Amino acid sequence: QLQLQESGPGLVKPSETLSLTCTVSGGSISSSSYYWGWIRQPPGKGLEWIGSIYYSGSTYYNPSLKSRVTISVDTSKNQFSLKLSSVTAADTAVYYCARHLLGYSYGYFHYFDYWGQGTLVTVSS
Amino acid sequence: QSVLTQPPSASGTPGQRVTISCSGSSSNIGSNTVNWYQQLPGTAPKLLIYSNNQRPSGVPDRFSGSKSGTSASLAISGLQSEDEADYYCAAWDDSLNGQVVFGGGTKLTVL
Repeated sequence: QLQLQESGPGLVKPSETLSLTCTVSGGSISSSSYYWGWIRQPPGKGLEWIGSIYYSGSTYYNPSLKSRVTISVDTSKNQFSLKLSSVTAADTAVYYCARHLLGYSYGYFHYFDYWGQGTLVTVSS
Repeated sequence: QSVLTQPPSASGTPGQRVTISCSGSSSNIGSNTVNWYQQLPGTAPKLLIYSNNQRPSGVPDRFSGSKSGTSASLAISGLQSEDEADYYCAAWDDSLNGQVVFGGGTKLTVL
C-alpha cells in the first residue's frame, strides 16, 4: 500500500522560506505516468494546488505561487520536497503531498489518488 | 475566488438523493475531465470520482459523477450520516501552461 508522509517545521517566521519533504513508501517515486504534488488548505478554507513534479524533474506550478515555489525530487531517497519563499501569514495552512496521475487523451485527465495525512505550517514571528 | 464554482452548502435527510454542482469554463471542465474529493472532518481529502464518472475501488456506487459542457455534478443517493463532509471538484485548466484548479468546496450536512 502506497503511503506518503510530510515532514518539516511546523512554525516558520514571516519572510523566511517554508521547507517540507514528502517521503513515499510502498512504491517507487520513479513510477511512470505519475507526478507528485503539493496541495495546501488554509484553516477553514478550501484546497489550493501548489505544484507537481515528475521523477525526471519536470514541473507544473500554480501560476499564482510560481515566483515563490520550488519543488524538487530525490529519487534515491524516494522523496520530493517543497520550498516556498518569502512567506506571510497567508501561507499558514495544512500542506498535503499526494500522488498525481496526469495524462492526456482527448483532453487532460488527472487526479490525486494517494494523500499524506497533512502537516500544519504556521507562519508567525 | 475559486476557478470552479460550487455551492457552499448542501443538505439532505438520510435516504435522500442530493446533488452538488461544479461550474467551470471551456479551459477546464469544458476540455478536461473532472474529479471529486470527499474530505471528512480533520482528515485528508479522498478521491471519490475521477474521469468524470469513474469510482475508485472501494467507493460505494451510491456516489456518481456526470459532466455536461462546462459543468459537472456529484450525486449521492441513499444519503447516510457518514456522508457528512466537504466535497471538492477539480479539473485541469489549460490556461497559463496548465494548472490544477479546485472548486471552493461544498459542505454537505445530513439532517
